[in-house]
Amino acid sequence: GEDVEQSLFLSVREGDSSVINCTYTDSSSTYLYWYKQEPGAGLQLLTYIFSNMDMKQDQRLTVLLNKKDKHLSLRIADTQTGDSAIYFCAEEDTGRRALTFGSGTRLQVQP
Amino acid sequence: SQTIHQWPATLVQPVGSPLSLECTVEGTSNPNLYWYRQAAGRGLQLLFYSVGIGQISSEVPQNLSASRPQDRQFILSSKKLLLSDSGFYLCAWRDRRRQETQYFGPGTRLLVL
Repeated sequence: GEDVEQSLFLSVREGDSSVINCTYTDSSSTYLYWYKQEPGAGLQLLTYIFSNMDMKQDQRLTVLLNKKDKHLSLRIADTQTGDSAIYFCAEEDTGRRALTFGSGTRLQVQP
Repeated sequence: SQTIHQWPATLVQPVGSPLSLECTVEGTSNPNLYWYRQAAGRGLQLLFYSVGIGQISSEVPQNLSASRPQDRQFILSSKKLLLSDSGFYLCAWRDRRRQETQYFGPGTRLLVL
């Protein structure tokens, strides 16, 4: 079965880089995702990476994928207070075309 | 452009009462549709998914059911709510032609008392 794990909490200072880590178990996942959830809101798709890629960069966001270790990370450069939210890592269940989510990492950005 | 709607946004219901949450998608056709539940402080759990009208797959045994009466409409229901049904319910859709992306609605917060 699938299991996605993330650390629960990360605190950084404004302007620093944030790195949120995730491990997954389903080696057949085609895509891996990062979603952002602000308080009381739905999930916003931030970025995703295809499983045959090692890295994807999108403005301040960098996704690194280590397929051998089944480790995914999200780096946010120049973190801002508006980045404070819960970040969910998700892997795709190729059979159901649905997503399996981690429990989320709460990012707190201190001014 | 595509949009996804959910309503109501917030709902407070007594134990034993029925439930109907609605999700609709605009700007696409024949999407895959999903219902997820997020319990307080936790990740998302897939409840149901649908690949077409009338086609529903249930992921976990529970007090809830889902229906897809129209191509872009997905309904989550219960005949009798339990306290454990409280949570944040999120609908999502996926374009079959762009399998890499899944988009979520704004969610419905349900509190069962």
